[in-house]
Amino acid sequence: DTGVSQNPRHKITKRGQNVTFRCDPISEHNRLYWYRQTLGQGPEFLTYFQNEAQLEKSRLLSDRFSAERPKGSFSTLEIQRTEQGDSAMYLCASSLISGATNEKLFFGSGTQLSVL
Amino acid sequence: AQTVTQSQPEMSVQEAETVTLSCTYDTSESDYYLFWYKQPPSRQMILVIRQEAYKQQNATENRFSVNFQKAAKSFSLKISDSQLGDAAMYFCAYRATGTASKLTFGTGTRLQVTL
Repeated sequence: DTGVSQNPRHKITKRGQNVTFRCDPISEHNRLYWYRQTLGQGPEFLTYFQNEAQLEKSRLLSDRFSAERPKGSFSTLEIQRTEQGDSAMYLCASSLISGATNEKLFFGSGTQLSVL
Repeated sequence: AQTVTQSQPEMSVQEAETVTLSCTYDTSESDYYLFWYKQPPSRQMILVIRQEAYKQQNATENRFSVNFQKAAKSFSLKISDSQLGDAAMYFCAYRATGTASKLTFGTGTRLQVTL
């Protein structure tokens, strides 16, 4: 068990470019979450998947954002036509839901995005 | 909407001493969960302790304990026998029951541990 892995660790891009981040959850974890954390703030929920189904999206997730989790394994988060306001750390977390109520999230170390 | 407030941007404690981090929240729900997460420089959020709102007993995990006051909507974290490795950002978080782990976080408290 190597934990939740996120790549790249850092991404610098120019405004208007598209970027894609990847998250590899803990093996066999069926839920996967994306959060965004801006400087001086706590993380904010963006979206989550149960297996391959995207069950909920926050209003923070504009049309320029799209997330996928093909085959219920790794997930990608793409931002199209990046804006300076997209600069933030994007955190991924996973959990195993098996009927129990005590869901525990395991977070990755995030991808730090800087839009110039 | 639920909100979580951490009014202490920074705190400092001497090694081996005790420190308390404050958190208040606002919700109209009666059943929910509260959490404290630690975020070291490695950026990975680590769960420190959790509390179910229906439990009157305060949660404890080794040197970490909470003071949960449901009527006051207060949820403070006490760290006893502070260690250098406790230095980090600490976030208080809330989630309603049955909402998956859509956590609402506070703005965090940076804890410094001095010798």
